[in-house]
Amino acid sequence: KAGVTQTPRYLIKTRGQQVTLSCSPISGHRSVSWYQQTPGQGLQFLFEYFSETQRNKGNFPGRFSGRQFSNSRSEMNVSTLELGDSALYLCASSLGQGLPRFGSGTRLTVV
Amino acid sequence: DAKTTQPPSMDCAEGRAANLPCNHSTISGNEYVYWYRQIHSQGPQYIIHGLKNNETNEMASLIITEDRKSSTLILPHATLRDTAVYYCIVRVGGQGGKLIFGQGTELSVKP
Repeated sequence: KAGVTQTPRYLIKTRGQQVTLSCSPISGHRSVSWYQQTPGQGLQFLFEYFSETQRNKGNFPGRFSGRQFSNSRSEMNVSTLELGDSALYLCASSLGQGLPRFGSGTRLTVV
Repeated sequence: DAKTTQPPSMDCAEGRAANLPCNHSTISGNEYVYWYRQIHSQGPQYIIHGLKNNETNEMASLIITEDRKSSTLILPHATLRDTAVYYCIVRVGGQGGKLIFGQGTELSVKP
C-alpha cells in the first residue's frame, strides 16, 4: 500500500508570497493532519481534517489554512509568508480515529 | 504541552540493546503511551504503543511500570539505522491525527 505522498518535496518562496502544499493520504484513510517542524519549536500540530471538515486545530495564526477534498486529498496554504515560516511541513493520514502515519514532508524555505 | 519527559540524548553501541526511558507521571487511566521515531529529515514513524501491559512487535518492546508513571522503549539489537529522535507521547486512544510531541530523545548508535 502506498504511503502518504507530499508534494513538492522542496520549495523556496519570498517573504510576503503565499504557498500551497499538497498531501495525498494512504488509500482508504479519511483523516489528514498537518504539522510544522522547526528547530526552535519542534513538531507542532497545525490542524486535522476528516471528511472535508476541520475537526481539530492547533495554535497557529489565521495565515495558516487548509482544506480537504472529497477524495481525502488535502492542501495546506500559508499566506503572507514570513521568514519564521521556514520549516518542514509534515502531513499524516489516519484511518478514522486511528494513529497517524506520516509522509516525508515538504521543506519550505522563505527568503 | 507534552505530558512526557525524556532525556535529550543517549548513546548506544551497535548490537547492544537500547533502552529509552520516558516519564509520564500525570498519565490518566484511559491514556495510552505511544512511541514514534524520526530519522533525520523524514516524517515520524510509528513504533509501538500500549496501555498497561508490556507490548512487543517486530521493531521494539515497550515496558510500562505497574503504576504507569513511566515506560521504557527497548530496541533489542540496535543498528546504525536506528539512529534517530525517539518521541514518547501520551494521549487518549481514538483521537485521530492530533499528537502532541515533546522534544524527544536523540539516540546515537555507534559502531
